[in-house]
Amino acid sequence: EAGVAQSPRYKIIEKRQSVAFWCNPISGHATLYWYQQILGQGPKLLIQFQNNGVVDDSQLPKDRFSAERLKGVDSTLKIQPAKLEDSAVYLCASSPGLAERFRETQYFGPGTRLLVL
Amino acid sequence: AQSVTQLDSQVPVFEEAPVELRCNYSSSVSVYLFWYVQYPNQGLQLLLKYLSGSTLVKGINGFEAEFNKSQTSFHLRKPSVHISDTAEYFCAVSDPMNRDDKIIFGKGTRLHILP
Repeated sequence: EAGVAQSPRYKIIEKRQSVAFWCNPISGHATLYWYQQILGQGPKLLIQFQNNGVVDDSQLPKDRFSAERLKGVDSTLKIQPAKLEDSAVYLCASSPGLAERFRETQYFGPGTRLLVL
Repeated sequence: AQSVTQLDSQVPVFEEAPVELRCNYSSSVSVYLFWYVQYPNQGLQLLLKYLSGSTLVKGINGFEAEFNKSQTSFHLRKPSVHISDTAEYFCAVSDPMNRDDKIIFGKGTRLHILP
C-alpha cells in the first residue's frame, strides 16, 4: 500500500513570494490533515478535511494561508505572501475517516521543508 | 484547552539499556493519548495510543506506555533500546468530549543511543 505522498520535498523562497504544497493521501482515506512543524516544536494542526469539506480550520492563518481538497482526494496548501516565520516543515496526514475525530491512526507523509529568506 | 509537556528535550542512553520518555498532559475528564516517532527526514509514525481500557498500552518496536490518570502522565518505555531507535518522539493528546478539540503535540524528545 502506497503511503502519503507530498511534493516538493524542499522549497526555498523569498519573503512575500507565494508557494504551494501538494499532498496525495492513502487511497480511500476520507480524512486529510495539514500540519505545520516549526523547528524545535511539535506539529500544529492547520486544517482538517473530511472528503472535500473542511472540518476544522481554526488554526489556519487565513489572511495568507489557503487549502483545498478538490474531489476529496489530493490537497494543496498555499501560502501567499510568505513571511519569515512560515519557515517550517509542512506535514500532510490522512486517516480512513470511519471513526470519531482523532481516534483513528493518522498516517503522515515525509513533509515539505520550507525556508523563507 | 488541552496541553502536553514533554519534560526532556533530549535523552541519551546506552544501547541495550532501558529508557523512559516522560509525558504529562493537562487534566481532563477524558483523553486520547498518543506517542509518535519521527525518524530523520521522515514524517511521523504512530507508536501506540490510549483510547480507553487497559492503562498499559503496548506498541510497535517493543515500546509500551502507561496511562496514569492520577498523575496525568503517559510515559513511554522500552526495556532495551537499539541504535535504530534514534529518533524524535512526540507525545500528543486530544479530548474526545470537546467538539472543538484539537490534537496537541508536545515539543518532542530526541533520543540519542550511545554505542
